[in-house]
Amino acid sequence: GAGVSQTPSNKVTEKGKYVELRCDPISGHTALYWYRQSLGQGPEFLIYFQGTGAADDSGLPNDRFFAVRPEGSVSTLKIQRTERGDSAVYLCASALAGTGELFFGEGSRLTVL
Amino acid sequence: SQQGEEDPQALSIQEGENATMNCSYKTSINNLQWYRQNSGRGLVHLILIRSNEREKHSGRLRVTLDTSKKSSSLLITASRAADTASYFCATDWSRSSASKIIFGSGTRLSIRP
Repeated sequence: GAGVSQTPSNKVTEKGKYVELRCDPISGHTALYWYRQSLGQGPEFLIYFQGTGAADDSGLPNDRFFAVRPEGSVSTLKIQRTERGDSAVYLCASALAGTGELFFGEGSRLTVL
Repeated sequence: SQQGEEDPQALSIQEGENATMNCSYKTSINNLQWYRQNSGRGLVHLILIRSNEREKHSGRLRVTLDTSKKSSSLLITASRAADTASYFCATDWSRSSASKIIFGSGTRLSIRP
């Protein structure tokens, strides 16, 4: 596709459940970022991939959060034992290495009841 | 935690007027970017300024960077109703080859017709 694709666009789940959010970056973009955004706030950095490896995962809030990018393209953000405080829009962005310009998807809105 | 903080948090101006938003950051950076976000949508890259640049223009946008004060400003000239959005600065300050890009808290801009 032409842009960054995120699925699902909306996810409603119950407290304690497991959730996976998927990101399809722009073809050829080696850098991939995950951010979390709460209402009225700026995007909060979670993790950054360069190729298949997580170059920096210092933003993951705790060990319930995990992200993978096994083939250096599609990435999945995994959240275990979801809590109400995990409710937010999860944004994915990709970039050509070294350019700095991020291309964002439309986000996955997660609601934990 | 956020690296950059925008000022003001909210700004309302008349159509045709100029809008100025400021961003302050804490550590030395490689570059600084400005992004725009319409309500409920993904972010869109506006402009990137490198640490060795002082001013940059793109259409009606003018960005300045003062590394001695660790601050940047975004000026939108001749504002239009379509400029209504949230604007975020983002800083790239990684010392390694990886680029950890951190966003500020944003300025919500409203253009009155």
